[in-house]
Amino acid sequence: SSELTQDPVVSVALGQTVRITCQGDSLRSYDAIWYQQKPGQAPVVVIHDKNSRPSGIPDRFSGSSSGKTASLTITGAQAEDEADYYCSSRDINNNVPLFGGGTKLTVL
Amino acid sequence: QITLKESGPALVKPTQTLTLTCTFSGFSLSTSGVGVGWIRQPPGGALEWLALIFWDANKRYSPSLSSRLSITKDTSENQVFLTMTNMDPVDTATYYCARYTSGYCTPYTCYSGWFDPWGQGTLVTVSS
Repeated sequence: SSELTQDPVVSVALGQTVRITCQGDSLRSYDAIWYQQKPGQAPVVVIHDKNSRPSGIPDRFSGSSSGKTASLTITGAQAEDEADYYCSSRDINNNVPLFGGGTKLTVL
Repeated sequence: QITLKESGPALVKPTQTLTLTCTFSGFSLSTSGVGVGWIRQPPGGALEWLALIFWDANKRYSPSLSSRLSITKDTSENQVFLTMTNMDPVDTATYYCARYTSGYCTPYTCYSGWFDPWGQGTLVTVSS
């Protein structure tokens, strides 16, 4: 089956820009969905349909992709953005959802 | 407002069968393109997708767990059920249900589909 690979830990200084990446063969065919999960809470989708934000998600969150790499960019990271971020896509072999291993974002 | 809530036993013994219920409101599972899925997360671990059921009763299962999983729905009661057999301590996790919006393809690209919103989750511990 396919895999999605994320860096386990990423840090960013308050107010700076950070890119969280996700790599996998399925990303050549399908977009990446990005979820934010804060401690003790359920995940929340922050990006879908390549670069669409649900209502209530700040516009400092954006998505992009190139080849087999998808990125979630936070422009001007805030303290409240400290969370785990998971990418998701479609397993090209089985046509089922697939999650990455998650990235823990620390805002310094 | 769309809400989902998981319910089921907090503790199961090894080899037992787990049955979880997802009760939802604010949408219908008879609407084209809509599904409900189950995702789990072990303590301190990553998300793992388990199963999906669609408005047309099509079902999808995680290839690694398909022999142990069964997903069904009661559209009139707005409920989705997940059964997992032969539970093991490694199955200890928070189990979430979530509404699924199906992906689609254009001539240029394909969109994956996404889970939103999610229920609060229910922690299931497998221990004797």
